[in-house]
Amino acid sequence: AQSVTQPDIHITVSEGASLELRCNYSYGATPYLFWYVQSPGQGLQLLLKYFSGDTLVQGIKGFEAEFKRSQSSFNLRKPSVHWSDAAEYFCAVGAGAGGTSYGKLTFGQGTILTVHP
Amino acid sequence: AAGVIQSPRHLIKEKRETATLKCYPIPRHDTVYWYQQGPGQDPQFLISFYEKMQSDKGSIPDRFSAQQFSDYHSELNMSSLELGDSALYFCASRQLSGNTIYFGEGSWLTVV
Repeated sequence: AQSVTQPDIHITVSEGASLELRCNYSYGATPYLFWYVQSPGQGLQLLLKYFSGDTLVQGIKGFEAEFKRSQSSFNLRKPSVHWSDAAEYFCAVGAGAGGTSYGKLTFGQGTILTVHP
Repeated sequence: AAGVIQSPRHLIKEKRETATLKCYPIPRHDTVYWYQQGPGQDPQFLISFYEKMQSDKGSIPDRFSAQQFSDYHSELNMSSLELGDSALYFCASRQLSGNTIYFGEGSWLTVV
């Protein structure tokens, strides 16, 4: 069975500082990996996804993530954090090489990001 | 661009009552997924449909049922509601040939 671990429950950074959110996954085949962001009481917005090709993936809002198969990691990064980035971030892995199981996502526990001015 | 529409956005029910949540996927999306996110929890997969047939089943209680209709909208029916069913329920949709899954804003269910 697939699983996702986000080791950091809560991270605090200063505005303008760099950010790295960690994500480790467990999956027997080629993983399909996602990062979503959720503001309080809001839905899930897709930041970026990886399913093949270049291991460095660019997303929206200046975020990027790097897939490292040897470390089973898919860490999210941003060079300079803005106050509006404060939210909860979820890493997720999708099952199956296409097909309906692809959307059967397993989420990590989430990392809450606080940004200090 | 059109997004996944969920209704109602907020719902308050009493214990043992029944609730129905609706999901309208993005046009031309043929696959729908339902997730449940309890307070302070990560989203948990409940069930999915492709072309009106159930395709995958997750941790969905027997008290819950769902279906996808000919226009591809989906409904999640929850009976004998319990306090623990209070959660944010997400619907997501995807075109089977695509690789991006789009989530709706969610429906807040509060059971009192």
